[in-house]
Amino acid sequence: QSALTQPPSASGSPGQSVTISCTGTSSDVGGYNFVSWYQQHPGKAPKLIISEVSKRPSGVPDRFSGSKSGNTASLTVSGLQAEDEADYYCSSYAGRDNLGVFGTGTKVTVL
Amino acid sequence: QITLKESGPTQVNPTQTLTLTCSFSGFSLATSGVGVAWIRQPPGKALEWLALIYWDDDKRYSPSLKSRLTITKDTSRNQVVLTMTNMDPVDTATYYCSHSLFRIRAFDIWGQGTMVTVSS
Repeated sequence: QSALTQPPSASGSPGQSVTISCTGTSSDVGGYNFVSWYQQHPGKAPKLIISEVSKRPSGVPDRFSGSKSGNTASLTVSGLQAEDEADYYCSSYAGRDNLGVFGTGTKVTVL
Repeated sequence: QITLKESGPTQVNPTQTLTLTCSFSGFSLATSGVGVAWIRQPPGKALEWLALIYWDDDKRYSPSLKSRLTITKDTSRNQVVLTMTNMDPVDTATYYCSHSLFRIRAFDIWGQGTMVTVSS
């Protein structure tokens, strides 16, 4: 099972929006509505920010939103803030024998 | 409040077996729909899912590492143990355990992680 494909980097100025793509196949992203997104600051554990394609856990700002079209999922961070500078990983359920295929990761820089 | 903490050796020799323990609080692995997963991250690289055990003792493994992994739970002690055989320097990574809900197929609460170096 190959990793999901994400752009290595993305950037934006404070207040702007940035969108990160996550491309898989019909066996993972395209086949299930179980795409999740994780934010990871340097030296810290990942934090779940989106589950089931577009659902935000309690406490996650509504600046974070998720969507999916075909085999590609997307995470949008609106109104960028300095604290949003981090690595972001997508993940998808890929069937009962592969519960978590992760993406290659995207480093978001706030200019 | 759910918390998880990983423990185990910081260094193992090549070919040895790694045993990691995840100790948790704030939930029970006897509760329907609950699972605990292991995920690792080599330095500077992406996350990789390794294994997951559910409340009903259903166990799932990464297809690429299945032959080397064993996951078990001790519900009474609130612990999950992962063993990985035949360790290699490429297995050097931070190993995380996380709480997971079957309903959302995601890893919603993570431990702080433990760094394991494979070197002689």
